[in-house]
Amino acid sequence: DQQVKQNSPSLSVQEGRISILNCDYTNSMFDYFLWYKKYPAEGPTFLISISSIKDKNEDGRFTVFLNKSAKHLSLHIVPSQPGDSAVYFCAAVNNQGGKLIFGQGTELSVKP
Amino acid sequence: DGGITQSPKYLFRKEGQNVTLSCEQNLNHDAMYWYRQDPGQGLRLIYYSQIVNDFQKGDIAEGYSVSREKKESFPLTVTSAQKNPTAFYLCASSILSRNTEAFFGQGTRLTVV
Repeated sequence: DQQVKQNSPSLSVQEGRISILNCDYTNSMFDYFLWYKKYPAEGPTFLISISSIKDKNEDGRFTVFLNKSAKHLSLHIVPSQPGDSAVYFCAAVNNQGGKLIFGQGTELSVKP
Repeated sequence: DGGITQSPKYLFRKEGQNVTLSCEQNLNHDAMYWYRQDPGQGLRLIYYSQIVNDFQKGDIAEGYSVSREKKESFPLTVTSAQKNPTAFYLCASSILSRNTEAFFGQGTRLTVV
């Protein structure tokens, strides 16, 4: 049972445009959400997070939006740069157990 | 430098052999995790530990074992019972309080031939 889902395996965007990566979750006990960026053969690096008490968190070019009623979050990158090309993972934390659960990832390709 | 270290980066083993992957952190983190990455399946949780001498199974624990004898170390053993051991293995750690990110090691690519 996939509790965190990223339904788009890949996304291609032109440099300078907005990249929108989506994530859905099924467990209403999740109360903290994170986005990680990963390059091949490396460990993921933390990008941005959001608590369930907020609906938006912004850090430079990266903004995460949370819609709790829809159990949906999204990561916006604007403007997109070629160096943003990587696999992006959405993750969620259960407020009862502390387990960090990941989605399948979306591979972003930003073309010059 | 504080960080989390996995070794080795690449590991080859013959089918039927047990193999142990190392994970060490000097971040003073209480919680440690092991994930497995396969193409198209994201990161799946194998085991996690929130305190020394205690650990819990994740979603795909079968064929794996762990120990947490020291706060800094969380080794993962891939046993011969694991049917598809070839994968990229990632270790992570975090502080125990809520709403905090986990930090990852660089991963170990295990290939069983």
